[in-house]
Amino acid sequence: NAGVTQTPKFRVLKTGQSMTLLCAQDMNHEYMYWYRQDPGMGLRLIHYSVGEGTTAKGEVPDGYNVSRLKKQNFLLGLESAAPSQTSVYFCASMLTGLYGYTFGSGTRLTVV
Amino acid sequence: DAKTTQPPSMDCAEGRAANLPCNHSTISGNEYVYWYRQIHSQGPQYIIHGLKNNETNEMASLIITEDRKSSTLILPHATLRDTAVYYCIVRVQNTGNQFYFGTGTSLTVIP
Repeated sequence: NAGVTQTPKFRVLKTGQSMTLLCAQDMNHEYMYWYRQDPGMGLRLIHYSVGEGTTAKGEVPDGYNVSRLKKQNFLLGLESAAPSQTSVYFCASMLTGLYGYTFGSGTRLTVV
Repeated sequence: DAKTTQPPSMDCAEGRAANLPCNHSTISGNEYVYWYRQIHSQGPQYIIHGLKNNETNEMASLIITEDRKSSTLILPHATLRDTAVYYCIVRVQNTGNQFYFGTGTSLTVIP
């Protein structure tokens, strides 16, 4: 039982490049979330999903897109990376609203 | 969701109880109090949550005042591994069930 797995763990992008971050969970959780955390700050919600095939915007969705084609996977895409998107990205999942999140270990992204 | 207020930092001696306060004076009747912690750049870890009764699990105890306007997370015997940022979040169970994290309390356990 791996929990929540994020790939890759580290990535350096050039401005304007695109990439996809993958979040996979093996706990049959309905809810999945993407957050970013900038140095010295709390986590900010980017997008989330309440079930397979659904997505919704969070606090800071601009510059990101997401997809949840399979229940176990939640993909976060950056179409044209900008230095302002340099951050640590965390994925989380949750079984139902009665519980807390299970987080992945994060993806450290640097855009130069 | 109601706003929470936490002290930015606290110290606690190793082996002693760590009591982390959280003020949520505008909490409404259907909002739960959740606590998470984040140890040095790792993904946050869920600790405990409650509605109005005190709660205890293997990690901590949560004490919610009778008027529900504040709560305290108690780590009964703090260890160096409890050094982390602790987040208190008030949340209503809704469609998205999303959590909004503030800046939390940075707890340092001192040897």
